[in-house]
Amino acid sequence: KQEVTQIPAALSVPEGENLVLNCSFTDSAIYNLQWFRQDPGKGLTSLLLIQSSQREQTSGRLNASLDKSSGRSTLYIAASQPGDSATYLCAVKRDSSYKLIFGSGTRLLVRP
Amino acid sequence: SQTIHQWPATLVQPVGSPLSLECTVEGTSNPNLYWYRQAAGRGLQLLFYSVGIGQISSEVPQNLSASRPQDRQFILSSKKLLLSDSGFYLCAWSETVEAFFGQGTRLTVV
Repeated sequence: KQEVTQIPAALSVPEGENLVLNCSFTDSAIYNLQWFRQDPGKGLTSLLLIQSSQREQTSGRLNASLDKSSGRSTLYIAASQPGDSATYLCAVKRDSSYKLIFGSGTRLLVRP
Repeated sequence: SQTIHQWPATLVQPVGSPLSLECTVEGTSNPNLYWYRQAAGRGLQLLFYSVGIGQISSEVPQNLSASRPQDRQFILSSKKLLLSDSGFYLCAWSETVEAFFGQGTRLTVV
C-alpha cells in the first residue's frame, strides 16, 4: 500500500531564504508526482507535475525533483516571499486512471 | 480551456438532514473525477473516484454516496448527515496526467 510522507509538517522562514520541502513515498512504482499549493480555506492549485520518466521540473522560483529509486521528491523554493505562505502538498499516482495519494502537507510561513 | 465548478462554497446543515454537493467540469470529456474530504488539520482523504458514467469506486465505508449521472457531473450525497461529516470537501478531475481541483465546499453539520 502506497504511503506518502511530508517533512517537516510546518516551517517558518524569513523572507528571502531558499528552502526545501520533502516528500517521500513507499512504493517506487509511480506514474507521476504532483505538487500542490493550498491557501487557507481554498482548493488546491497545481504547481508542478513530474512524470515518472523525468528527474525535475521548474516553474519560476519553484523546482521539483524526483528520485524514484529512493522514493523521494523535493520542492525547492528560491528567494521565498510572504506570498509563498501556504500549505504545500505532494501526491503520487500509480497509473493514468488511478487515484492521487496525498501526503499530509507542509505548512509554510514566510515572515516579512 | 478546462474549468471545474463546485458548489456551494459553504453549507451549514443540521444533523439528520440530506446533502447534495455538485461538481461539474467543462472543456474536457470522459475525465476521471474524485471527491476528497479534508478534516481540520488533517490530510486529504479520498472518498470516491469515477473513471466513467455510472462507475463509482468507494474508498472508505461511510455515510456518503456518490453518483455520476453525466460525463462531467459528479455528485456527493447523504441521506442523513452526521456530525462527523463536517469538513472541507474537494472535487477534482484528471485526464491521464495532471489533476485539477475545485475551490471546495466547507460543510458544517450542527
